Amino acid sequence: AQSVTQPDIHITVSEGASLELRCNYSYGATPYLFWYVQSPGQGLQLLLKYFSGDTLVQGIKGFEAEFKRSQSSFNLRKPSVHWSDAAEYFCAVGAPNTGNQFYFGTGTSLTVIP
Amino acid sequence: DGGITQSPKYLFRKEGQNVTLSCEQNLNHDAMYWYRQDPGQGLRLIYYSQIVNDFQKGDIAEGYSVSREKKESFPLTVTSAQKNPTAFYLCASSEIGSANEKLFFGSGTQLSVL
Repeated sequence: AQSVTQPDIHITVSEGASLELRCNYSYGATPYLFWYVQSPGQGLQLLLKYFSGDTLVQGIKGFEAEFKRSQSSFNLRKPSVHWSDAAEYFCAVGAPNTGNQFYFGTGTSLTVIP
Repeated sequence: DGGITQSPKYLFRKEGQNVTLSCEQNLNHDAMYWYRQDPGQGLRLIYYSQIVNDFQKGDIAEGYSVSREKKESFPLTVTSAQKNPTAFYLCASSEIGSANEKLFFGSGTQLSVL
């Protein structure tokens, strides 16, 4: 069965520090991988996605993520965090052969200290 | 502007009452989805639809019903059989096709029980 694990429930970083949010997935083949961000009381916004090709993908707001097949991981990174990055971050897997379904991790809440 | 519109933003349900959450999209997407979000549990799939007049149950369909009479509309009814309906409900849509399979989300509906 497909699943997504985000091991860190909550992370606190100082503004200007680097950030890495972890994501591991379970899927029988190479899935489509996504990172979404959610502000309180709002919907989710797509940060970046991996379908195929280059395993390092660039997204919006200065985020990037690297797909590592051997580790079944798709960690999200940002070299310098801004206060406005405080939000909830969700990793997701798209599994086309299950009828276009998407599976989400439980999310990581990011707090940014001034 | 193209997007997904959910209404209302806040909804209150009395015991034994059915309530309907609206979701409309003008992105011309074939697939539409309903997710339920509870604190610490991420997003769980309720129902999804890939084509008009057809839909499939997700992981937590019990106590919910949907219809897809028009491509742009996918309303969700929370029935009286759903004993714990308090949650944040998110509607999403997606194109179908490898490079375009990514979810676009509405801004959500917060449902609470009176």
